[in-house]
Amino acid sequence: GESVGLHLPTLSVQEGDNSIINCAYSNSASDYFIWYKQESGKGPQFIIDIRSNMDKRQGQRVTVLLNKTVKHLSLQIAATQPGDSAVYFCAENKRAGGSYIPTFGRGTSLIVHP
Amino acid sequence: GAVVSQHPSRVICKSGTSVKIECRSLDFQATTMFWYRQFPKQSLMLMATSNEGSKATYEQGVEKDKFLINHASLTLSTLTVTSAHPEDSSFYICSANPGRVVFFGQGTRLTVV
Repeated sequence: GESVGLHLPTLSVQEGDNSIINCAYSNSASDYFIWYKQESGKGPQFIIDIRSNMDKRQGQRVTVLLNKTVKHLSLQIAATQPGDSAVYFCAENKRAGGSYIPTFGRGTSLIVHP
Repeated sequence: GAVVSQHPSRVICKSGTSVKIECRSLDFQATTMFWYRQFPKQSLMLMATSNEGSKATYEQGVEKDKFLINHASLTLSTLTVTSAHPEDSSFYICSANPGRVVFFGQGTRLTVV
């Protein structure tokens, strides 16, 4: 869930390295998770999602791993580029009436050094 | 993907004035939209749920009279910050979803001077 009031942890990597961003979630009943990327001064952008009946999903240069036993998500970015520098949030989706609303994790600031 | 458009992207206003922020779903209808507030280097904090044709639902601690929400149509929700003060300066973001994936607006940077 949210950690309002706490500053974001930072992950610094060199360009070309692989990055791993971790996230813990709180609700064992959550069945859908999303990773978002937020660049400075912009709204969050969808990166990749995963359902709880999966433990791994791959996209372009990104992989999400889900460990339901310990309620843990990770986002792996291959060959990290300077353009990947941003804040990354994981979110648990929950139903809110006829809609869905994400509950955001704390977020991690990724800094990629050229 | 679906597009959610937010306007303005930046606004500076004087203390005591009101500011309106618009959130539009451009290619889908949204009976529900959400408004968030984000402080520097922190996560998004849900402020309220905007419901088309009915009253908004506010999260605990959010002042209803300070943050007026109107969801007049299936594609438009507005957030009005009334009698703004410097402590209302923040980044405000709206979201909506045509399905399970939630899409966000570009955000509005409000500065109250």
